[in-house]
Amino acid sequence: QKEVEQNSGPLSVPEGAIASLNCTYSDRGSQSFFWYRQYSGKSPELIMFIYSNGDKEDGRFTAQLNKASQYVSLLIRDSQPSDSATYLCAGLFYNQGGKLIFGQGTELSVKP
Amino acid sequence: KAGVTQTPRYLIKTRGQQVTLSCSPISGHRSVSWYQQTPGQGLQFLFEYFSETQRNKGNFPGRFSGRQFSNSRSEMNVSTLELGDSALYLCASSLDIRGFNTEAFFGQGTRLTVV
Repeated sequence: QKEVEQNSGPLSVPEGAIASLNCTYSDRGSQSFFWYRQYSGKSPELIMFIYSNGDKEDGRFTAQLNKASQYVSLLIRDSQPSDSATYLCAGLFYNQGGKLIFGQGTELSVKP
Repeated sequence: KAGVTQTPRYLIKTRGQQVTLSCSPISGHRSVSWYQQTPGQGLQFLFEYFSETQRNKGNFPGRFSGRQFSNSRSEMNVSTLELGDSALYLCASSLDIRGFNTEAFFGQGTRLTVV
């Protein structure tokens, strides 16, 4: 089992809809999680991080963390075509010396 | 505040050669992590440096090495290049990746093509 897993997609949603991106992790020792967005041909850019159980909101983005289920998600409200990108979930694994491990990424396509 | 700077942006090398990539982190950041990104494998962790010390290493062969200087700038070296080393190499800068909620910021990457 990979340490951080994501569905590769592509996930397609209509403009204005809510996009839901999911991530599971295998190591309960991981405490912090990060969501990055990567446009084609560009480097990843940080969207949000979360380390407490529950929800964290930032504008149109909401990150959710459920440590009991080892599950992280990112919700994008009012999706725009400019949100079309690959979304990478990453966990910081302290019991591996503080290694930031990435999932494979989920490709999101927002259709006008 | 300047971001993470990687040089060169593009590189073409021949099998068997060696290559050195450079990363200048954000001012004040002491942790530099290196990643290899390929379509099939995604982002794979190479190693992490903090205050000139390698603190962590991924599962890559010994041909991949790195170092960090006193000004936090880091270099990675790949010797005896193979076709499979063709990838986007990314470095990420953070205050200290082992911090409780420290964020890592990526440079633009170096696109290495081995022919």
